[in-house]
Amino acid sequence: QVQLQESGPGLVQPSQTLSLTCTVSGGSINSGPYHWTWIRQHPGKGLEWIGYIYNSGSTYYNSSLKSRVSISRDTSNNQFSLKLRSVTAADTAVYYCARVFKTTNWFDPWGQGTLVSVSS
Amino acid sequence: DIQMTQSPSSVSASVGDRVTITCRASQGISSWLAWYQQKPGKAPKLLIYAASSLQSGVPSRFSGSGSGTDFTLTISSLQPEDFATYYCQQANSFPPTFGQGTKLEI
Repeated sequence: QVQLQESGPGLVQPSQTLSLTCTVSGGSINSGPYHWTWIRQHPGKGLEWIGYIYNSGSTYYNSSLKSRVSISRDTSNNQFSLKLRSVTAADTAVYYCARVFKTTNWFDPWGQGTLVSVSS
Repeated sequence: DIQMTQSPSSVSASVGDRVTITCRASQGISSWLAWYQQKPGKAPKLLIYAASSLQSGVPSRFSGSGSGTDFTLTISSLQPEDFATYYCQQANSFPPTFGQGTKLEI
């Protein structure tokens, strides 16, 4: 079965770039009726969708973050990545990667999540 | 963006109780709705998709209903492991959006 695992720094300084990688095991990010996504959850709050990368390589982002975010993929390592530029304390959150069913946009499964704190 | 509003924000219940959580969309989303369960410190888990279809492996005490703008998640007989936060998510329109969550407490 497919499993996802986020990795990256747990602490980022304000104005710097947050960089996270999601490693997918048990299935290829290039195949199947799936896309891949990042979602975040501010401490004690609800869920905010960040963006998709389709298995064609096309990307789609939440307009609230579009000017600062990019999602890319490394098919040779079966990974996809998130970069969020010019971070502030408001970007402190648990970041999740997840698989998306292509025609339905349900998110399953999810990675365990990684807490990223923005602080000097 | 479509706004998803859940009610109540929190609910207290006991083992064996029947509990219903409501999710309302700011515009019609047909049956493009999913429900997720999140336990403390864990990632959300897909329970129900297409408003009423049970994800594989999810106990049958969970059920979903609704279409258009009004949806419900029902747990027929609460078990200790069901105490968690539940989120709805619409998948009808870009961007996908979530409700604010309903915390189910003992």
